Amino acid sequence: NAGVTQTPKFRILKIGQSMTLQCTQDMNHNYMYWYRQDPGMGLKLIYYSVGAGITDKGEVPNGYNVSRSTTEDFPLRLELAAPSQTSVYFCASSPGTGVQPQHFGDGTRLSIL
Amino acid sequence: EDQVTQSPEALRLQEGESSSLNCSYTVSGLRGLFWYRQDPGKGPEFLFTLYSAGEEKEKERLKATLTKKESFLHITAPKPEDSATYLCAVLITGANSKLTFGKGITLSVRP
Repeated sequence: NAGVTQTPKFRILKIGQSMTLQCTQDMNHNYMYWYRQDPGMGLKLIYYSVGAGITDKGEVPNGYNVSRSTTEDFPLRLELAAPSQTSVYFCASSPGTGVQPQHFGDGTRLSIL
Repeated sequence: EDQVTQSPEALRLQEGESSSLNCSYTVSGLRGLFWYRQDPGKGPEFLFTLYSAGEEKEKERLKATLTKKESFLHITAPKPEDSATYLCAVLITGANSKLTFGKGITLSVRP
């Protein structure tokens, strides 16, 4: 009964480094999402996907890339990490049909120094 | 511009002291309003979906209501384990399942 699993849970990067945040779900959901959560700012959508091979930008996509090769996995790539990308990143999924709630993972806490 | 505003930012209650959390929204068309609970170091956990004005849903000590402009999350006789951040989010017509979140309300319940 895993739901949405995110790895790693914590990571410290140096400015200019790259990394991939992993997200996998076992609920066979078509839709997947990446959010960032900053203190006092609420959740902001970075990218989302409506199915394998289909992705689209959210509210704050700059500095990030995504891919969706399978229904289960939706990795988020950070290229040339910047201090402004220090945040907590959440992955979520939903069935995508009708008004269905999104189910969230427990997040990746990323610090860029 | 579509907006979701939650108030107050933080709320401290004594155990057993009932209160309400507010989520007001200004959107072009509402398909649904969601309430989530978020514990420190965890992801948001789904609580309720409300679809139309006048609708109410209950779960244990929590009751969510919806009008055309706002939603309330009523907490009756809260316990310390109800301490968490409560998030409100709206799904807007034409938004293709993309949610717009409020900033959240941090609730602390003292024993």
